[in-house]
Amino acid sequence: DIQMTQSPPSLSASVGDRVTITCRASQDISYYLAWIQQRPGKAPKSLIFAATKLLKGVPSKFSGSGYGTVFTLTITNLQPEDFGTYYCQQYDRFPPTFGPGTTVDVK
Amino acid sequence: QVQLQISGPGLVRPSETLSLTCIVSDDSLSTYFWSWIRQIPGKGLEWLGYIYFTGTTQYNPSLYGRVSMSVDTSKVQFSLHLTSVTAADTAMYFCAKGNSPKEVNYWSQGTLVTVS
Repeated sequence: DIQMTQSPPSLSASVGDRVTITCRASQDISYYLAWIQQRPGKAPKSLIFAATKLLKGVPSKFSGSGYGTVFTLTITNLQPEDFGTYYCQQYDRFPPTFGPGTTVDVK
Repeated sequence: QVQLQISGPGLVRPSETLSLTCIVSDDSLSTYFWSWIRQIPGKGLEWLGYIYFTGTTQYNPSLYGRVSMSVDTSKVQFSLHLTSVTAADTAMYFCAKGNSPKEVNYWSQGTLVTVS
């Protein structure tokens, strides 16, 4: 299976901050990378697919970049509803695998 | 936006079969790929498998053949069956929709299943 790692495991940020999360794949996954948000007590919500494309209804404050083995998720102007855990997921190879998550909490 | 609603028991006895059904709120069952994913408390996410409306499936080998999925197009729903469960199968289970077999674009609310 392709192993996904994320850094940092957690970060503390303030409202209005810009944060960046990095995801690494154990092998080349092209652009087959998704980002998922999970707020406490809520269902996961997919934000980005194909490394850079926002799903319908996802605000442009979220952006993704990367290709191959290294990817980033950037969130600008952090708001209270953005705090939670962010996961990356590869869907290039079977089985799809997820990163361990990065928790963004209030500083 | 489609709504996905999981039904099924929240408690399953060890060695028995865990069965959950995901009801799709619209007629998109034949358009997308439907997955099951679980999240063990305090741990990460695990993709269990997917099913297409034709009945085509693919499962995560980590489940060692214990998993199967079915679809009922007349009821607009699909199901997960996990046999010989143990405490290690205690998790929050999600059903989800994707544009391709390994992709997940939309998630249901989770349902906690405890094996005890």
